[in-house]
Amino acid sequence: EAGVVQSPRYKIIEKKQPVAFWCNPISGHNTLYWYLQNLGQGPELLIRYENEEAVDDSQLPKDRFSAERLKGVDSTLKIQPAELGDSAVYLCASSLGGGNIQYFGAGTRLSVL
Amino acid sequence: DQQVKQNSPSLSVQEGRISILNCDYTNSMFDYFLWYKKYPAEGPTFLISISSIKDKNEDGRFTVFLNKSAKHLSLHIVPSQPGDSAVYFCAANSNSGYALNFGKGTSLLVTP
Repeated sequence: EAGVVQSPRYKIIEKKQPVAFWCNPISGHNTLYWYLQNLGQGPELLIRYENEEAVDDSQLPKDRFSAERLKGVDSTLKIQPAELGDSAVYLCASSLGGGNIQYFGAGTRLSVL
Repeated sequence: DQQVKQNSPSLSVQEGRISILNCDYTNSMFDYFLWYKKYPAEGPTFLISISSIKDKNEDGRFTVFLNKSAKHLSLHIVPSQPGDSAVYFCAANSNSGYALNFGKGTSLLVTP
């Protein structure tokens, strides 16, 4: 069974440009998470979805970040415009309804120049 | 405010010996604890977990111990192997399915 798939793996953009990340969770997992991981830190939650509903987006900087999970499967995270401080690894995870164990994708490493 | 703390950024152990990674937490509402292993350029991989109703969970070479009164857990790897060299993250949450609170990680190096 395929794990959590993220693309692209790497992205380099100039500041003020838009960028989007895509995530396909494990089949059947209704809970999807986007985490941000800065260098030397643990992942921190940006947003959590239950099916297509964003149930926790309190840590998402809504002035520049947006996310969607159409049809409760794939998800896209967007930054517009990107800032230098957004350089980090963006991780997607999924879990089976109500489960504690979250399974992570390989992440997208974003570099903003 | 960091609710999960891993105070040792790095640890070096000889192959065949025991590796002990430590984790402390401050939130008494946490009731589920997990360890993840991360290789460079990969996402965190689930390793082992423990519920607050237990004080020990074992899976092969990996054992996690939980001391609720001290708000402390540890991961023991016996015997350590070079392939265990990775960054280990401790994580916790207070409700199933909710966001995980991660520590900053401990980089383990197992030398031959």
